[in-house]
Amino acid sequence: EAGVVQSPRYKIIEKKQPVAFWCNPISGHNTLYWYLQNLGQGPELLIRYENEEAVDDSQLPKDRFSAERLKGVDSTLKIQPAELGDSAVYLCASSKTGLGLDNEQFFGPGTRLTVL
Amino acid sequence: AQKVTQAQTEISVVEKEDVTLDCVYETRDTTYYLFWYKQPPSGELVFLIRRNSFDEQNEISGRYSWNFQKSTSSFNFTITASQVVDSAVYFCALSEGVYNDYKLSFGAGTTVTVRA
Repeated sequence: EAGVVQSPRYKIIEKKQPVAFWCNPISGHNTLYWYLQNLGQGPELLIRYENEEAVDDSQLPKDRFSAERLKGVDSTLKIQPAELGDSAVYLCASSKTGLGLDNEQFFGPGTRLTVL
Repeated sequence: AQKVTQAQTEISVVEKEDVTLDCVYETRDTTYYLFWYKQPPSGELVFLIRRNSFDEQNEISGRYSWNFQKSTSSFNFTITASQVVDSAVYFCALSEGVYNDYKLSFGAGTTVTVRA
């Protein structure tokens, strides 16, 4: 079974440029998560989707960050415009469900963003 | 306030030594879950264990064991007879409540280096 796929693995951009990250969850997983991981820290949840619906986006900085999961499968996280402080690893995770015993989260390898 | 504290930033051991990683958590909920994840250099977080707050039984899985003590709010992780492949960053995480059990609060992680 394929794991969570993310692309690109690395991205270097200049500040004020837009950037997008793509995630393909494990087949059959209805719940998808985006996390931000700063250097030397644990991941922090940005947004959680149940199918197409963003059910928890309370930690997403909506002035510059947006996300979508149009068909309830793949998801895209966008930053526009990027700032120096956005340099971090962006992790995607998926689980069968959001709550209960089947909510074990499987993580992708992440996209390492560097903003110059 | 930090909900999960991993006091050890880095641990370095020689192969075959045992290593114990400390995790102290803070919550007011009576229902909560505790997790350990491993993050190897490749980047993806690998799920190791989940325990609920009502199950204080210690658990052993191969060379891994976990000690859960509610009295001290600790959920420590021991690797017995460490191997070079155990080198990674290990994260302890907490999710609180029945309806937010997907929301993981991670500690800052402990970097384990096992030398041959």
